[in-house]
Amino acid sequence: EAQVTQNPRYLITVTGKKLTVTCSQNMNHEYMSWYRQDPGLGLRQIYYSMNVEVTDKGDVPEGYKVSRKEKRNFPLILESPSPNQTSLYFCASRSDPSSYNEQFFGPGTRLTVL
Amino acid sequence: AQSVTQPDIHITVSEGASLELRCNYSYGATPYLFWYVQSPGQGLQLLLKYFSGDTLVQGIKGFEAEFKRSQSSFNLRKPSVHWSDAAEYFCAVGPRGGSYIPTFGRGTSLIVHP
Repeated sequence: EAQVTQNPRYLITVTGKKLTVTCSQNMNHEYMSWYRQDPGLGLRQIYYSMNVEVTDKGDVPEGYKVSRKEKRNFPLILESPSPNQTSLYFCASRSDPSSYNEQFFGPGTRLTVL
Repeated sequence: AQSVTQPDIHITVSEGASLELRCNYSYGATPYLFWYVQSPGQGLQLLLKYFSGDTLVQGIKGFEAEFKRSQSSFNLRKPSVHWSDAAEYFCAVGPRGGSYIPTFGRGTSLIVHP
């Protein structure tokens, strides 16, 4: 089954404790991205990747890092999480970074930073 | 830069009633337009998209949307709402070219009364 998976689905952590949210897709997609969703603000893009070793900032990259060492994986790293990063995070992928073919979303990771 | 406005934060309808969710965009030319649905606890799913051609677009789950260039709008409609349509709906606009990164609206929450 074609899918985007994220782990963990729920995470509660404390300020300053480094964490990684994993994202994996099994569709051989080139384009992957991370969004955060906050009430009243919709989805805002954090980072995106056009292909392996090619990443770029989205609209709200501060406080986040990403890497793309393999095509299927696109982890989101919070080196020193803060309470304002409490949010619902979505990973997404699509096959072609240069067109608007369908974007597939993961189920989301709900992060709480105390 | 493109932007998208969903003026209604919440919409409440009775089951069986018709539905229209509003979406207005700002872009220098005709953009790519999308509607996504997010069911509770799920990721986003593409309902429909407009690239060019016929301004009335049919999507999945019985939804349709009409592109009106003169009003910079792309409203989503359904003639008869089912209880399972209760969800969050996002309009998105994407540039023609460049990064092909869509911008999402803030979302409209649809509540369906029995």
